[in-house]
Amino acid sequence: DARVTQTPRHKVTEMGQEVTMRCQPILGHNTVFWYRQTMMQGLELLAYFRNRAPLDDSGMPKDRFSAEMPDATLATLKIQPSEPRDSAVYFCASGLVPPLRQRNSPLHFGNGTRLTVT
Amino acid sequence: AQKITQTQPGMFVQEKEAVTLDCTYDTSDPSYGLFWYKQPSSGEMIFLIYQGSYDQQNATEGRYSLNFQKARKSANLVISASQLGDSAMYFCAILEDSSYKLIFGSGTRLLVRP
Repeated sequence: DARVTQTPRHKVTEMGQEVTMRCQPILGHNTVFWYRQTMMQGLELLAYFRNRAPLDDSGMPKDRFSAEMPDATLATLKIQPSEPRDSAVYFCASGLVPPLRQRNSPLHFGNGTRLTVT
Repeated sequence: AQKITQTQPGMFVQEKEAVTLDCTYDTSDPSYGLFWYKQPSSGEMIFLIYQGSYDQQNATEGRYSLNFQKARKSANLVISASQLGDSAMYFCAILEDSSYKLIFGSGTRLLVRP
């Protein structure tokens, strides 16, 4: 059963440290999304890639966040330096976009990385 | 402008009854897709159902069906025969083909009472 894999599942770090989150999308999917979920802001779109090309990263704080897709099997989200307000769950999702003209074309999510910055 | 609106922050339903979760959207794109996801307390995002803007029939998937009213720009999720395991957050999302952005609503927390 194909799935999106995110690592690490949990990360606790001190303010000022670099954090790297990784995502392995489902093979054959052409689009990868990064989201941040907090109680206050809900699911925020940070950045997304199509065919490995960045389409929009306007949702990210530019000075500290960066997202890359060095190859089709890996997407990364980095925070440097991290701050306590970055504490959240970060989700990666992948899918075929635009969705096939059929019902139930899913965009699959990974299990998320729960980041705590102290 | 808010792309996706879920007006029900929380809802209750009695076990075995049907429940409708509301979702309205705003887009000028003629081609788009609508998604519903379930997020249980464990935190994972589970895909439930998808409706394309050109689909003539409402999407169904097991106990889930999507009441798609294009002219009203609504895509309500109907869960039939609710089960205790349906208690979760439910998110509606839109993906516009012009931008390939997937934008989520604020979610509805559903509690199923035994």
